[in-house]
Amino acid sequence: EEQLVESGGGLVQPGGSLRLSCAASGFTFSHYWMSWVRQAPGKGLEWMGVITPDGTETYYVDSVKGRFTISRDNAKNSLYLQVNTLRAEDTALYYCARDAGWVLNYWGQGVLVTVSS
Amino acid sequence: QSALTQPRSVSGSPGQSVTISCTGTSDDVGGYHYVSWFQQHPGRAPKLIIYDVNKRPSGVPDRFSGSKSGNTASLTISGLQAEDESDYYCCSYAGGYTRLFGGGTKLTVL
Repeated sequence: EEQLVESGGGLVQPGGSLRLSCAASGFTFSHYWMSWVRQAPGKGLEWMGVITPDGTETYYVDSVKGRFTISRDNAKNSLYLQVNTLRAEDTALYYCARDAGWVLNYWGQGVLVTVSS
Repeated sequence: QSALTQPRSVSGSPGQSVTISCTGTSDDVGGYHYVSWFQQHPGRAPKLIIYDVNKRPSGVPDRFSGSKSGNTASLTISGLQAEDESDYYCCSYAGGYTRLFGGGTKLTVL
């Protein structure tokens, strides 16, 4: 059974950084594009970015370019999201999702990032 | 990269049908056959219910259907049931390997 489990969230001060992780199991991780999506409290879904199966290419929404970096380690079946220079508006639940043919067909349960002083 | 436009809320009685619209542009919804719909219950992760405009993943009831005309995609739920009360989001491929979500629609089953 396909499973995605995020970790690494928490409370961070404005301007700080975090590295979120997503552990994949139940499918051949190295075959799939993977995306990050976030959801601010009480708000809608916002796609953040995607990484190719071999990890050589990444694509981001304009609002996070230069601050967020997606990477992966296929040997560890793991996806990462490095988030830097955090702002209050980055407070959200961050989901990783398997991205198959432009379809986000499996999602983790999300990890909460709170940016506050 | 503005969000796709969805009605904030829709409602219907059990057994009725409701349709949720998702309006974009020719750069996203209108330009590709890659519109998905997600159902999200409170406190839960989104669940894929429609992909590629009108395809249903295994296990999704055929009460859920999708369509597209021009720059607007639609999700129709027929034979409304109490458990359909949820938030619904559309998502479209938007070129350049990016994706774009709608703002979400809250469905209330009266």
